Amino acid sequence: ELKVEQNPLFLSMQEGKNYTIYCNYSTTSDRLYWYRQDPGKSLESLFVLLSNGAVKQEGRLMASLDTKARLSTLHITAAVHDLSATYFCAVVRLRTYKYIFGTGTRLKVLA
Amino acid sequence: KAGVTQTPRYLIKTRGQQVTLSCSPISGHRSVSWYQQTPGQGLQFLFEYFSETQRNKGNFPGRFSGRQFSNSRSEMNVSTLELGDSALYLCASSLDRGAKNTEAFFGQGTRLTVV
Repeated sequence: ELKVEQNPLFLSMQEGKNYTIYCNYSTTSDRLYWYRQDPGKSLESLFVLLSNGAVKQEGRLMASLDTKARLSTLHITAAVHDLSATYFCAVVRLRTYKYIFGTGTRLKVLA
Repeated sequence: KAGVTQTPRYLIKTRGQQVTLSCSPISGHRSVSWYQQTPGQGLQFLFEYFSETQRNKGNFPGRFSGRQFSNSRSEMNVSTLELGDSALYLCASSLDRGAKNTEAFFGQGTRLTVV
């Protein structure tokens, strides 16, 4: 069964610092997504990664995918307080169309 | 364009009762999925409906059921509520199940508290 592990679970960082969140998955998948969730809110789609070597960037966030290693990373550059949220990765196999989510990384950016 | 709408936003129920949650997908979207989010188990897939048919189901007991109507609106029902059913229930819709249109858009969720 497809499993997704995400680390770290919690991340407290200073503004201006860089950090990376890791997402490992156990078997092949067809899509990998990154979502952001603010407290009490829904999931906001950040990136969808479709193929090996895919890299996408939006502002201070950059996501990449290595399908051979079954690893995706979400890199945060020069963090700002507004990035404080919980970040989830999710993989999906089109055959089942079931999203399997990672445990989430709760990010807190300290001013 | 309206997003995914879930009603109600908050619910408090007593153990043993049943509850029905509603989800209206984005206009034109035909696939609706439901997820349960709890602090302990994270986000877990409940089921997916497409064209009024359940296409996939997660590992939840039979107390959890759902359906989809001809206008793609979906409901999920939980019978004989247990304390452990307290969670945020998220609905997601997507255009269809084809390879190019699988991205799911999530609603705000229904926060269910069982007392």
